[in-house]
Amino acid sequence: AQKITQTQPGMFVQEKEAVTLDCTYDTSDPSYGLFWYKQPSSGEMIFLIYQGSYDQQNATEGRYSLNFQKARKSANLVISASQLGDSAMYFCAMKITGGGNKLTFGTGTQLKVEL
Amino acid sequence: DTAVSQTPKYLVTQMGNDKSIKCEQNLGHDTMYWYKQDSKKFLKIMFSYNNKELIINETVPNRFSPKSPDKAHLNLHINSLELGDSAVYFCASSQRVWTADTQYFGPGTRLTVL
Repeated sequence: AQKITQTQPGMFVQEKEAVTLDCTYDTSDPSYGLFWYKQPSSGEMIFLIYQGSYDQQNATEGRYSLNFQKARKSANLVISASQLGDSAMYFCAMKITGGGNKLTFGTGTQLKVEL
Repeated sequence: DTAVSQTPKYLVTQMGNDKSIKCEQNLGHDTMYWYKQDSKKFLKIMFSYNNKELIINETVPNRFSPKSPDKAHLNLHINSLELGDSAVYFCASSQRVWTADTQYFGPGTRLTVL
């Protein structure tokens, strides 16, 4: 069975600084996808970034990048130039091929961006 | 304009009642899902439908019954509501069931059982 671990329940970062949110995963399936979602206090789930297990390069989407280290089974989210609007809960999630396409989520990291 | 919509946004009801949550997506996706987010914010898959066929049914009490009348709709009916059913229920959709396909979530329905 697959598992996602997010060890940072809460993080603080100063505005305009970069921040890394940790995510490690466990699966024996060689084909999988890793996702990050943002959940602001308003409650919606917003897709941020995707990384496939066979992708050679780390994914980037604007200020978001994914530091994918396959051998270490980690998929950390890096947010550059933090903004106040980045304050939210961030979830790492994984899908495996043949798993019926279900997302398995981590427990989340609450990020607070400070002035 | 909304991609994945759910109604109602809030649902407050008494124990023992039966209630339904509706979900619609206008993205033309083939696959739809229900997730439950508990009070600790943990998200877990409940059901998944692909082209109106059930493909995932996690360990969910049979008081929960999903229904997909067509590809664009996936409703969740809950019988004999219990206190432990209080949670936020999210509907989501994806184009297909492939690993790379992103799931897009609805705004959630906050269910409170009194």
